[in-house]
Amino acid sequence: QVQLVQSGAEVKKPGSSVKVSCKASGGTFSSYGITWVRQAPGQGLEWMGGIVPISATANYAQKFQGRVTITADKSTSTAYMELSSLRSEDTAVYYCARWIVGSTGQFDYWGQGTLVTVSS
Amino acid sequence: DIQMTQSPSSLSASVGDRVTITCRASQSISSYLNWYQQKPGKAPKLLIYAASSLQSGVPSRFSGSGSGTDFTLTISSLQPEDFATYYCQQSYSPLMYTFGQGTKLEIK
Repeated sequence: QVQLVQSGAEVKKPGSSVKVSCKASGGTFSSYGITWVRQAPGQGLEWMGGIVPISATANYAQKFQGRVTITADKSTSTAYMELSSLRSEDTAVYYCARWIVGSTGQFDYWGQGTLVTVSS
Repeated sequence: DIQMTQSPSSLSASVGDRVTITCRASQSISSYLNWYQQKPGKAPKLLIYAASSLQSGVPSRFSGSGSGTDFTLTISSLQPEDFATYYCQQSYSPLMYTFGQGTKLEIK
């Protein structure tokens, strides 16, 4: 049974950074990708980027280029998403998901979500 | 960027109804189209991948079709647990996996 467990809710000041973790279990971590999707309150889903742990290759949505860093630690089967220069518009629930890389590209298992609140 | 447009944005239907949601891509994406269901306060759940393949464990009343730019998600007989928001997502362009804006399915 594949499970993705994310770190807890965060409250951050504008201009600061946040780092959210996503620990995978029940599957072969390096055989898949991990992707990050966010959802602002009352809004739709927004893809941020993803990483292929076996190659440590990350790619990012253009909107977040320069502000987001996605990494993966194969030894602990954990992926991380760090977002910097936070502003109020970054208040959202951040989800990680397992990404079927190289073929159909779907996100088949999801974490429970992490609420990040940016407020002064 | 590839834009994904869903229609309708919201839909009211009754238990037992047949419902169809449409997703249109701004350029051809072959069959690289996935559908997700999201309930309030929960993570999205994969329903359909590669336009028409049913994800394991998803009831057979859900089906997907289409290729190129036009796709549909059909629920053959709505059940109470199907009232949720549905999103399409293109996985054709690995540098920008875009979602549609969502379709909220409500009880009539």
